[in-house]
Amino acid sequence: ETGVTQTPRHLVMGMTNKKSLKCEQHLGHNAMYWYKQSAKKPLELMFVYNFKEQTENNSVPSRFSPECPNSSHLFLHLHTLQPEDSALYLCASSQAGYNSPLHFGNGTRLTVT
Amino acid sequence: GENVEQHPSTLSVQEGDSAVIKCTYSDSASNYFPWYKQELGKRPQLIIDIRSNVGEKKDQRIAVTLNKTAKHFSLHITETQPEDSAVYFCAASTGRRALTFGSGTRLQVQP
Repeated sequence: ETGVTQTPRHLVMGMTNKKSLKCEQHLGHNAMYWYKQSAKKPLELMFVYNFKEQTENNSVPSRFSPECPNSSHLFLHLHTLQPEDSALYLCASSQAGYNSPLHFGNGTRLTVT
Repeated sequence: GENVEQHPSTLSVQEGDSAVIKCTYSDSASNYFPWYKQELGKRPQLIIDIRSNVGEKKDQRIAVTLNKTAKHFSLHITETQPEDSAVYFCAASTGRRALTFGSGTRLQVQP
């Protein structure tokens, strides 16, 4: 049990599909993050939520849509993705404030065909 | 924004030797510097962190040093073991934005 759980672990989707990634943290943290990990950019920040409010969007294309209904849950909704979006998507959580350690989930390995 | 550069990209050492990974950062206001270890197929995990009010921190075989004047910090692993083989990431934050990560160093410890 990592404290941060991501589902599914693997996902294969076509470019016209719509799918969602889910993240849940059991650590009592108030900040949640989405990172993209690929060979080109090993740990690329996508979105940050603090107390359910989005505080950072790192110029992510609109085909990625995050949702944070509460401090424990984070979703990443995917639609009309491109093959270059294939990557490992990591969720993380931390205490409120940016100078706190990140706790990562095991990630979702996404393949876009 | 913050920019973090990490070197080397790959590092191979013999078991028992020391390994050093170096990072530089651009924003002089950065005050938090963690290091993460990611084993193959696993999630990144924090191994040590340092804040700008100290120059060095040790935890058993791992140490991190910080030079604020030169804006660089380093990870030192002594008496390396095969289980130290992994990708190591440095990161920096000013506290106003999320961590910016370096590009990673793949460490291979040869038995």
